[in-house]
Amino acid sequence: AQSVTQLDSHVSVSEGTPVLLRCNYSSSYSPSLFWYVQHPNKGLQLLLKYTSAATLVKGINGFEAEFKKSETSFHLTKPSAHMSDAAEYFCVVSPRGAGTYKYIFGTGTRLKVLA
Amino acid sequence: SAVISQKPSRDICQRGTSLTIQCQVDSQVTMMFWYRQQPGQSLTLIATANQGSEATYESGFVIDKFPISRPNLTFSTLTVSNMSPEDSSIYLCSASSSGGNTGELFFGEGSRLTVL
Repeated sequence: AQSVTQLDSHVSVSEGTPVLLRCNYSSSYSPSLFWYVQHPNKGLQLLLKYTSAATLVKGINGFEAEFKKSETSFHLTKPSAHMSDAAEYFCVVSPRGAGTYKYIFGTGTRLKVLA
Repeated sequence: SAVISQKPSRDICQRGTSLTIQCQVDSQVTMMFWYRQQPGQSLTLIATANQGSEATYESGFVIDKFPISRPNLTFSTLTVSNMSPEDSSIYLCSASSSGGNTGELFFGEGSRLTVL
């Protein structure tokens, strides 16, 4: 079975401090993993993706994530938060080799950035 | 990459009516999907739009309520039929240009539907 758990529904950080958004997954197959961001009244934009290449993945806007198979985690980080980072973030898992085209979404983490 | 255009971007509809949402992709894509996102919630997959054949619906969604068309590789429509206030939601079209399930999903900006 495939699933994804975002451990925090809300995260608040001060501007200029590090961001950590946590994601754990479960997959019967080698997974592809993605992080998406959704700003208010907008569609989803891809931040970064892992598809079995380097385990440390760099994305747009200074975000990065590390695939840790032993911990089944794919946490999203950014060294220094900016006000424009305030948004909803979704972790997504897609099991490769499952024979179906499935993208499983986490429940989302709302990031608040305090001035 | 793929750019996805959806219309309408928002609409207010009366109970019992139907609304068709259009999704246009600027390039040929392998897979197209329709999602629903209720206020403050994550995305729920409604169905996979299959070119030239019937869509594949997820549990809890039926063709009579959400008929879907995909006449070619770049265009799809979703109809929300016989609407009720519970259908008030954001409907998102997405697409993948990869032949397999390693490809990223591209999203439209969504269609925000309010049913009175």
